[in-house]
Amino acid sequence: NAGVTQTPKFRILKIGQSMTLQCTQDMNHNYMYWYRQDPGMGLKLIYYSVGAGITDKGEVPNGYNVSRSTTEDFPLRLELAAPSQTSVYFCASSNSNTEAFFGQGTRLTVV
Amino acid sequence: GENVEQHPSTLSVQEGDSAVIKCTYSDSASNYFPWYKQELGKRPQLIIDIRSNVGEKKDQRIAVTLNKTAKHFSLHITETQPEDSAVYFCAASIRGNKLVFGAGTILRVKS
Repeated sequence: NAGVTQTPKFRILKIGQSMTLQCTQDMNHNYMYWYRQDPGMGLKLIYYSVGAGITDKGEVPNGYNVSRSTTEDFPLRLELAAPSQTSVYFCASSNSNTEAFFGQGTRLTVV
Repeated sequence: GENVEQHPSTLSVQEGDSAVIKCTYSDSASNYFPWYKQELGKRPQLIIDIRSNVGEKKDQRIAVTLNKTAKHFSLHITETQPEDSAVYFCAASIRGNKLVFGAGTILRVKS
C-alpha cells in the first residue's frame, strides 16, 4: 500500500501566486487532515474532513481552502500566497480513534 | 475548541535515564490520546496511543498514563537510548475527529 501520498515534495511560490497541494490515501480512511509545521514548531491543524463532502476549519484556516469530493482525495488550495505561509505541510488520514498516517510532507517557500 | 498543552519544550537526559513528557487537554469530550515521534526531516509516526476507557498502557520501554479527572496524560520512556532523540508530540481527539497536537518536546539523549 502507498498509504498517504502528497505532491509536490517541494515548491517555491511568488507572493500572490496560487497552488494546490495534493493528498491521496488508499486506506479507505474516513478522516483526513491538513497540518502546517513551521520550523522548530508543532503541528497546527488547518482543515479536516470526516468524510466525503464534509470539511471543517481547524486552528489556522485563514488563507486556505479544501474540498473532499472523494474518500481518497483531500486537496489544499492556497489562493494568494503570502510569506507567512512558508512552512512544511503534512496531510494525514485515519479512521475514528485510530492511528493517523502522515504523508511525507510538502516544503513550501513563498518569496 | 480543543487545546493541548505540552511540557517541557526541551528535555535532555543521560542515556539509561527515564524521560517524562506531560500534556493537558481542555475538552472533556476528548477520548483518544496518541503520541507521535518525529525524527529530523521526517513525518510524524505513532509510537503509542491510549483511549479514555484505559488508565495506562505499556509497550516495552514506552508507557502512557491518562488521568481523565485532571485532563492530563503523560509519556514515559525508560532506559533511554540515543535513538530515542527526536521530537515527541502528544495529541487529543474529540469523538474520533479533529486531532489536535501539542507543541512538541525535543528530547535529547546524551551518551
